[in-house]
Parts: sequence; structure tokens; C-alpha cells
Amino acid sequence: GAGVSQSPRYKVAKRGQDVALRCDPISGHVSLFWYQQALGQGPEFLTYFQNEAQLDKSGLPSDRFFAERPEGSVSTLKIQRTQQEDSAVYLCASSLALGGTSYEQYFGPGTRLTVT
Amino acid sequence: SQQGEEDPQALSIQEGENATMNCSYKTSINNLQWYRQNSGRGLVHLILIRSNEREKHSGRLRVTLDTSKKSSSLLITASRAADTASYFCATPPKDNFNKFYFGSGTKLNVKP
Repeated sequence: GAGVSQSPRYKVAKRGQDVALRCDPISGHVSLFWYQQALGQGPEFLTYFQNEAQLDKSGLPSDRFFAERPEGSVSTLKIQRTQQEDSAVYLCASSLALGGTSYEQYFGPGTRLTVT
Repeated sequence: SQQGEEDPQALSIQEGENATMNCSYKTSINNLQWYRQNSGRGLVHLILIRSNEREKHSGRLRVTLDTSKKSSSLLITASRAADTASYFCATPPKDNFNKFYFGSGTKLNVKP
């Protein structure tokens, strides 16, 4: 019955390090989304999964960003060779949506990434 | 350019007053959703209005949608200090309804 959880909540990385951000969606939610939110801005879409299939990754800013959801539940967003411009809050959301229309999304608390 | 944009960017009112914020978007939408974000937290879904609906109510929230003007408004009546938050509209396009676009939000401050 828990909501969407994300870990870690805070991550400080040195420039050039790789990071992995985890998302545990609500049990039974088919769809999973990743967003990037810069300070003072709204969330920006990164990528979307339906079960284990990554159906849209058009929002990933570069090939340093990679997301996976191998068993259709937990998802990991990996950022390789982090840069300062990657500093942001990374939000994960899940939804019951199967298709045909969009449904409300349930958001996790986010992971605040700071690249120094 | 962004699909959805809220205005005003910031709004400060006294407790008990009504707060109105607006959302404009560019392309045809599947539905329009409003979300609230408290400082340092994730977004919380408030209300969803379908593209064939004109008005919807939920508690102290009233949402209108005008698809001919590509705009929506969110009215919060009898505001409380706990309503202090940022409010975002999400506008999933009809041809890609899982790709939510958010604007920069309206930052509402309700003074006790």
C-alpha cells in the first residue's frame, strides 16, 4: 500500500562519476516515468516504461543517461560521467495507465543530485 | 517551446481568499491535470479534466477547460495556509498521451 519510493533521497557526486538512482513504483502499476526537475522549474519528461518495455526515451538529454526496468517493477536511472548541468531533482512516477488515455501519475519524493 | 505554461508565476494572498491560476497549452490534449508540489517534495495529483469536459469540482477546487482557447484555470476557494505550494498543469498531447508536459508552475503563498 506504500507510495512510490526513491533512493537515495540525496546524492552528491564528483564530476565524472557514475550514479544510479532507484525507483520502486506502486505495486501493480504498469507505467513508470522519469522526470528531471531543475530548481524553480517544472518537471521535464525523460523516459517512459510500460512494464519492462521502454516505449519513449525521447527526453533523455544525452547518451550518458540510461534507464532500465528489467522485470517490469523497480527501475534504475543511470547517469554516466556526471556533469554539473546534471544537478537537479530526479522524479519517478507510476501510473495504472495501460493505453488509450493518460491517467493520474503518482510521484515519488525525488532524488536530489548535486554534481560538484 | 513548452507545451504548457502557468500564470501568474507567483501569487500571494491572505487565508480565506480565493486563488486563481491559469494554464495555457499549444497542441490538442488527451486531458489536462493539475498537480501540487510542496517545497522539497514530489508532486501530488489534484484533479483531472477530460478534453470533452468544461468544468469539474473537487472539494475546494474548481477547474475549467476551454479547448478552443487551449487554456484551463484552477480556482482554490477559501484558501488555507496549508495550500501554500507550487501548482503545475500537465498537458499530455493527444498523439502521445504518456508524455506529460509541465510548465514552470504558479508559486502560491497563503498568508495566515
